[in-house]
Formats: sequence, C-alpha cells, structure tokens
Amino acid sequence: GAVVSQHPSWVICKSGTSVKIECRSLDFQATTMFWYRQFPKQSLMLMATSNEGSKATYEQGVEKDKFLINHASLTLSTLTVTSAHPEDSSFYICSPTLQGGRTEAFFGQGTRLTVV
Amino acid sequence: AQKVTQAQTEISVVEKEDVTLDCVYETRDTTYYLFWYKQPPSGELVFLIRRNSFDEQNEISGRYSWNFQKSTSSFNFTITASQVVDSAVYFCALTGWNFNKFYFGSGTKLNVKP
Repeated sequence: GAVVSQHPSWVICKSGTSVKIECRSLDFQATTMFWYRQFPKQSLMLMATSNEGSKATYEQGVEKDKFLINHASLTLSTLTVTSAHPEDSSFYICSPTLQGGRTEAFFGQGTRLTVV
Repeated sequence: AQKVTQAQTEISVVEKEDVTLDCVYETRDTTYYLFWYKQPPSGELVFLIRRNSFDEQNEISGRYSWNFQKSTSSFNFTITASQVVDSAVYFCALTGWNFNKFYFGSGTKLNVKP
C-alpha cells in the first residue's frame, strides 16, 4: 500500500487565492520533506527542503514568501502557494525521508495546480 | 556537481519494437543511487528500478532491462517488445548515499503506436 499520501491530487483556483497541499507519510516518521515542482513537459526540480520543526531551505529562484512550507509534525508537511498566479500552475510532488537517510525513495502522488 | 542527462526528448516506436532510453549522469560521490521512474499522464511517479554505485550487474525484469556502466556513467533502460501501455514519460534520477535530494533528467517521452 501507499506510504505517502498527498492531497489534493488536483486543484483549480482563482488568481490571487492561496492553495494548501498536504503530504502525509503513512508508515514512517518523516524528519525531512522534499518538495518538487514540475512545469508542463519539463523535469522535476527541487523547490525546498524542510526538516521537522525547522524553517525550510529553498532552492535558488524559489520565493520563500510565496511557497510557505510547514513541517510541524513527523507525519505531515504542507506547502501553501500564496497569492497564486497562472505561472504557478504546475505539478507539485512531495518526498518524505527518514532521519539519517533511507534505503527507499518515496514520492507522493502529486498535486496538479491550475491557476485561472 | 550532480547532473542527469536524458538526451532523447521523445521517441516513437511501433508496438513490438525494442527501444532503449539513454541516461548519462555526473557525480563526484563514490556512493550514489540511480533510478528509473515511469510517469503516466496521471503524473505520479512509478518506480521501476534502483541501482547503487557498487552494483554494476545488469538487471532484467520481464520486458525491461537496464545496463549500468560506470566507465561511461550511463544507466540505460531497454524495453523489449514494446506495448502501447508503455507510452509515458520516463525519468532517470540520481541521488546520494543518504537518499536526500534527487536530481532528475529532463525525461524521455515514449510513444508506442499500435
């Protein structure tokens, strides 16, 4: 069964509104969460890395004030796209990991965000 | 620097043909892992295979086979007797010993026509 649950799988929102994406690790405690973004017909690129209880680290070019990441618990991390614009339309995927590394890679099912 | 290159943007084949998807990687790590994922239109990543840097043994799983060659930093993926259901985007990816950040190639879109 799935070990990562990402919700919602798709969302359409109006420009200027905020959207929250949840990522839950079901079978283990995720001390670190990676958030990836995939624009249409492009590859997956890491947006940010968050450790439970700490502020997220953002990759170059990713606006931290626009993409708010909360990782308050070991089983849940959220990504909030604030004041969404059409250019934020993308596929967002989370990837939780265990403390000290792991031997498997887990990815959420992804969230397809469309901003109109 | 870590980098994965998939030079083939899109490949079209006719059903039952064999097709090889190329992947070339760059890393300074001595311990690393390579992956292949299939991404159907739904978007979720479907895990196909994982290989660590110390295991160069080629692997076959049904119609799928993988050729890992450290000497050329390549990890190619072959589908034998392709089927329409194989149509998808395929990603090669690289990560380090602790499975943290993944570096994905740009993906190869495979179209298998009946």
